Amino acid sequence: QVQLVQSGPDVKPPGASVKVSCTAAGYNFSSYVMHWVRQAPGQGLEWMGWISGYNGVRNYAQKFRSRVTLTQDTSATTAYMELTSLTSDDTAVYYCARGDDYLDNWGQGTLVTVSS
Amino acid sequence: EIVLTQSPATLSLSPGERATLSCRASQSVSNHLAWYQQKPGQAPRLLIYDASDRATGVPPSFSGSGSGTDFTLTISSLEPDDAAIYYCQQRDNWPPTFGPGTKVDIK
Repeated sequence: QVQLVQSGPDVKPPGASVKVSCTAAGYNFSSYVMHWVRQAPGQGLEWMGWISGYNGVRNYAQKFRSRVTLTQDTSATTAYMELTSLTSDDTAVYYCARGDDYLDNWGQGTLVTVSS
Repeated sequence: EIVLTQSPATLSLSPGERATLSCRASQSVSNHLAWYQQKPGQAPRLLIYDASDRATGVPPSFSGSGSGTDFTLTISSLEPDDAAIYYCQQRDNWPPTFGPGTKVDIK
């Protein structure tokens, strides 16, 4: 079955960067897009961007374009999301999710806490 | 970007009752709309895509309808396990956007 396993929780000071990983199993990694979505505590879902497993093409939401970088290692079937210049507003659970148009499988989420 | 509005914000019903959740888009999204279920402490789960198609493994008690700007998720007979927040999401226009969610409580 499809599995997306994310890296563990992280605590970062303001101004730092964080890199979250998402390791996929159970399907052809190169055949799907990987999306990244975040959820602040008690809040709704916010799309950050996606990366194509086929050719590495990326598309970012305007809000995050200057601070987020999506990468992948297809040989390791792993996708990465790096977010820079962290502020307290970036405290959230970050999800990876597989899907071309809709997100049909999700990782368990990674809590990133920004605190001094 | 397309704004999705969901109503009601909270729905409190008894087991066996019918739940009707609404999602309205600020402009037409054709049928390019999905519904997700999120239980506390869990990742969202895809329920419905393309407005009315059930995702794999989703029971027939869940159904979706609508097109253009107005969409509905119906749970025909509520079970205690259906307590969750339900989000709609459009993929017709970049960036994909989510609605704010409807919380379903089971009395």
